Amino acid sequence: GENVEQHPSTLSVQEGDSAVIKCTYSDSASNYFPWYKQELGKGPQLIIDIRSNVGEKKDQRIAVTLNKTAKHFSLHITETQPEDSAVYFCAASSTGANSKLTFGKGITLSVRP
Amino acid sequence: NAGVMQNPRHLVRRRGQEARLRCSPMKGHSHVYWYRQLPEEGLKFMVYLQKENIIDESGMPKERFSAEFPKEGPSILRIQQVVRGDSAAYFCASSPARSGWLNYGYTFGSGTRLTVV
Repeated sequence: GENVEQHPSTLSVQEGDSAVIKCTYSDSASNYFPWYKQELGKGPQLIIDIRSNVGEKKDQRIAVTLNKTAKHFSLHITETQPEDSAVYFCAASSTGANSKLTFGKGITLSVRP
Repeated sequence: NAGVMQNPRHLVRRRGQEARLRCSPMKGHSHVYWYRQLPEEGLKFMVYLQKENIIDESGMPKERFSAEFPKEGPSILRIQQVVRGDSAAYFCASSPARSGWLNYGYTFGSGTRLTVV
C-alpha cells in the first residue's frame, strides 16, 4: 500500500518569512496529492491539491509542487502570518475505483509574530 | 449547505461500554471515510463506505469495531467494549462520487473526541 512520509515534524518561522513542508510517497500509481490544514480542536480542511498531470499549482500565498520522478511534493507558504500556525497534513491517493487517501503524520507550523 | 456533521463532539465512556459515533456526509456526497487520530500519529484510515456497502475496511481492528452506512440516515462507527486505548479523535470525511480518473478532496467533519475512563 501507499506510504506517505512528511518532514520535518515541526517548523518554526518568523512572521513574513516563507515556510516549505515536504512529503514523499511510495506508490508510483498515486496521482492525486491534497494538503490539509488542521487548527486546534477542528477537523482537517483542504487548502490546496495537485494532480499528477501538473507540476505546480498556486493559490495566493500557497503553492504546491510535485516531482513525480522523485516521488515527492512540497507545500510552500509565502509571507507567513500568525494565523498560518496549525498542523499541516499531506496525502496521496491513486485513481483506483476504491482508492483512499493516505496521510502523512503531519507537521506543526508555528509562525512567530 | 451544511458540511460534514459529526456527533457527538465529545463522548466519555467507561471501559466495557459501547461507543456509537455518527456522521452525516455533505449533501450530494455518497462516499464516507472514517479516520482515527492519535496525538503525534496523524490520521489513520479505518474504513471506507458507500451507501449500504463497505468498500475497504483494511484499517479497522478485527474485533470490537464495526461501521455501517445505511440507505437512510447517517454513517455509524461502533466500538464495543471500549478500552483505554480507544481514546482518540475520530474523524469522518465525505466525497462526491468519482468521475473518470478524477479524485476529489475529502471534506472532513469536526470529529468526535472519545475518552475512555
